[in-house]
Amino acid sequence: KAGVTQTPRYLIKTRGQQVTLSCSPISGHRSVSWYQQTPGQGLQFLFEYFSETQRNKGNFPGRFSGRQFSNSRSEMNVSTLELGDSALYLCASTRGDRGRTEAFFGQGTRLTVV
Amino acid sequence: DAKTTQPNSMESNEEEPVHLPCNHSTISGTDYIHWYLQLPSQGPEYVIHGLTSNVNNRMASLAIAEDRKSSTLILHRATLRDAAVYYCILRDGGRYSGAGSYQLTFGKGTKLSVIP
Repeated sequence: KAGVTQTPRYLIKTRGQQVTLSCSPISGHRSVSWYQQTPGQGLQFLFEYFSETQRNKGNFPGRFSGRQFSNSRSEMNVSTLELGDSALYLCASTRGDRGRTEAFFGQGTRLTVV
Repeated sequence: DAKTTQPNSMESNEEEPVHLPCNHSTISGTDYIHWYLQLPSQGPEYVIHGLTSNVNNRMASLAIAEDRKSSTLILHRATLRDAAVYYCILRDGGRYSGAGSYQLTFGKGTKLSVIP
């Protein structure tokens, strides 16, 4: 069974540019959530999707957006990049049974903004 | 998701058992206790989860207090590969699939160091 796949693994962008990150969940999983991890703030929740609907959004500016497709694959977009957006971006997929089952994480996308 | 409290760091000698504590005094009746570990520059990895009864799997054991206000992750014989940050997270099991939030709320976790 294939795990959660995030692409690309590494990315270097310039301030002001935009970036799109992709997450392919485990087959059959309908829920995808995104997290930002930085040394100072730890793992912070960005947003989550279930069956193409955004269910919840963390405390991030509107420059951070996402979507989920009918095949459950998800993308997140960050526009007008700032130096502080440099982080490890992680996505997790779950089957959709809420807390009763485990979440599976991808290896993350390491974004560096210069 | 309810809040959990963990020690910032712990040390263990290799091949000795490790008990990682977690307090969750405001746990609700439908909250599952989940543990994840994270190695440097990698995504978190599921370890174990439970609701009321103690749980065992090939990686670890989870001991849940009778009042469910605390739990302990037990690594039976620490190895150098167990050195990681361990997160204790509460996730609402809810009543219906598809309803409510699926997000995980991470605290700071416990950084486990294993001494050879």
